[in-house]
Amino acid sequence: EPEVTQTPSHQVTQMGQEVILRCVPISNHLYFYWYRQILGQKVEFLVSFYNNEISEKSEIFDDQFSVERPDGSNFTLKIRSTKLEDSAMYFCASSGGYAPQHFGDGTRLSIL
Amino acid sequence: GENVEQHPSTLSVQEGDSAVIKCTYSDSASNYFPWYKQELGKRPQLIIDIRSNVGEKKDQRIAVTLNKTAKHFSLHITETQPEDSAVYFCAASKGPGADYKLSFGAGTTVTVRA
Repeated sequence: EPEVTQTPSHQVTQMGQEVILRCVPISNHLYFYWYRQILGQKVEFLVSFYNNEISEKSEIFDDQFSVERPDGSNFTLKIRSTKLEDSAMYFCASSGGYAPQHFGDGTRLSIL
Repeated sequence: GENVEQHPSTLSVQEGDSAVIKCTYSDSASNYFPWYKQELGKRPQLIIDIRSNVGEKKDQRIAVTLNKTAKHFSLHITETQPEDSAVYFCAASKGPGADYKLSFGAGTTVTVRA
């Protein structure tokens, strides 16, 4: 069964540094999402992406965040200048149209 | 925006007993309600979903019920087994996929005692 893959599984970064989280969505999917989960809290929507542009973003997704689909397979989330409160599990998801979202295993981001 | 509340936060059941998790939502425009199961260190996996034109859906030992008037939906697991131990998340959306974001509940940690 096709899966969404995310790399790295764990990223440790110094505060203020840039970080890029990578995702490979399921190959025939058209809609891409990023969610995050701070330890002990609920999964929160960050951004959705379709047809090479952002469809919707949450209040969390401020100017420090950006997403990109640099080629036909990867979907990335960049945080320009990380803060301590960015420490969380980040999940990528994809969907093939009017169909459920499939999630990756997540990247645990730790900001020191 | 949509607000999804989920109860209980933890649930411990004896193997073979039933487990029930309840969620409420706030946005009457929501019409798609998936449930995800997340085992430790693994991805959230869709286990069942229901759309607003259906009141109940069943898949083997798992069932979901939806009351649109009351804006609540529930997950029922019958004949629980140790492999059912996991964190379960409910979610609500205006539709499956197609740019519709999921709003999640806080999760329920289910422990099945052997």
